[in-house]
Amino acid sequence: EAQVTQNPRYLITVTGKKLTVTCSQNMNHEYMSWYRQDPGLGLRQIYYSMNVEVTDKGDVPEGYKVSRKEKRNFPLILESPSPNQTSLYFCASSSDGYEQYFGPGTRLTVT
Amino acid sequence: AQKITQTQPGMFVQEKEAVTLDCTYDTSDPSYGLFWYKQPSSGEMIFLIYQGSYDQQNATEGRYSLNFQKARKSANLVISASQLGDSAMYFCAMREDYNNNDMRFGAGTRLTVKP
Repeated sequence: EAQVTQNPRYLITVTGKKLTVTCSQNMNHEYMSWYRQDPGLGLRQIYYSMNVEVTDKGDVPEGYKVSRKEKRNFPLILESPSPNQTSLYFCASSSDGYEQYFGPGTRLTVT
Repeated sequence: AQKITQTQPGMFVQEKEAVTLDCTYDTSDPSYGLFWYKQPSSGEMIFLIYQGSYDQQNATEGRYSLNFQKARKSANLVISASQLGDSAMYFCAMREDYNNNDMRFGAGTRLTVKP
C-alpha cells in the first residue's frame, strides 16, 4: 500500500531535549516536505526536499533541521525544542511537487 | 504578506445542497498551481482537486469543482450535493512554479453539513 508514515504519532517532551520525528514514503517520490499546523494559521511549510541531499527552507524553518540521505526518508530534527514548537506536524511526499501525499501527522507537545 | 486567504472560518450547508468555499490568492508568478485539501476530524489531509494557472477549463473531480477566476485571483471550491461525510476542514493551497516546492496554505474553512 502506497503510504507516508510518521513516527511517533504523539510525543510529549520537555524544553531543550533533542528529538527526531521520522518520515518515510514507499512511493519513490522525489519531493518531500514538512509542515506544521496551528489553529487559525493553516499549514506552514518548514522544510522541503527535491531529492537526496537537496533541501531548502520553507516558511518557518527556525528551530528545525532536516536531512535527506535516502530517497524514502526525511526526518525532522528539533535540536532544542521550545514550547512554541508545540504543534501538529505533517510530512508529505510528491512525485512532481504537485499532488502531495500526507502522513498521518505527529502531535508534539513541548512543556 | 498573506498569499492565500480563506475568509470563511466556518460554513454550514444542508445535506444535498451545494456549497462554495472561498479562496483568494496573491502571486506575481505567471505559473502556479492551486489545490484544495480536506481534513476530516480524524486529522489526515486528503487531496481533492488541482488547477493549473494555464488550464483553460475549471477542474472537476466528481462532486468537487474549482471555480477558477484568474483575473480576480480566486479559486473557490464548489461541492455539489453535500453529504454528511463532507463535514471537515478544507484548505486552499498554492504552489508557485518558480518558487519550486514552496506550498502556501490558507487558514482553512470548517464545513458542517446538517442533516
